[in-house]
Amino acid sequence: KAGVTQTPRYLIKTRGQQVTLSCSPISGHRSVSWYQQTPGQGLQFLFEYFSETQRNKGNFPGRFSGRQFSNSRSEMNVSTLELGDSALYLCASSQGTGGSLDTEAFFGQGTRLTVV
Amino acid sequence: KQEVTQIPAALSVPEGENLVLNCSFTDSAIYNLQWFRQDPGKGLTSLLLIQSSQREQTSGRLNASLDKSSGRSTLYIAASQPGDSATYLCAPLPSYQLTFGKGTKLSVIP
Repeated sequence: KAGVTQTPRYLIKTRGQQVTLSCSPISGHRSVSWYQQTPGQGLQFLFEYFSETQRNKGNFPGRFSGRQFSNSRSEMNVSTLELGDSALYLCASSQGTGGSLDTEAFFGQGTRLTVV
Repeated sequence: KQEVTQIPAALSVPEGENLVLNCSFTDSAIYNLQWFRQDPGKGLTSLLLIQSSQREQTSGRLNASLDKSSGRSTLYIAASQPGDSATYLCAPLPSYQLTFGKGTKLSVIP
């Protein structure tokens, strides 16, 4: 069974540009969450999607957005990039249907974004 | 707002030692709690999931306990090996949003 796949693995962008990151969850998983990891702030929750609907959102500016497609694949977009957006962006998938074991999260390898 | 603290922040032990990593959280209304390991520059690998109704969960040399009422979880690693060197993160799960501590960076010296 394939794991969570994130593309691309590495990105270098210039301030002011926008970027789109992609996440393909484990087959059968309908929940996809996104996290930002920086040395200073650690892992912070961005948002969570289930069946194409955003269910939860973290405390990030509106420049950070996401969406989920009918096949559960998800994308996140960051517009008007700032130097502080440089981070490892991780996505996690789970079944998300509410059962106690359905919440176990599996993470991808992440996308390393560098803003210069 | 859930806050998670992991102690110690870093730990260095000789190979073969048993060790305990601690995790405390402020909101006991959690659904589950997961322990992860992260190697430098990589994603998170799920180690153990403890459901809120459980007190303990075991996988190989790993044993995790959960005391919801006191807001504590511990990860016990038996007979540590150099391959165990990584950052260990705990994450209580109130809904579908994991809240992470800063982790414990473990170094196992051969």
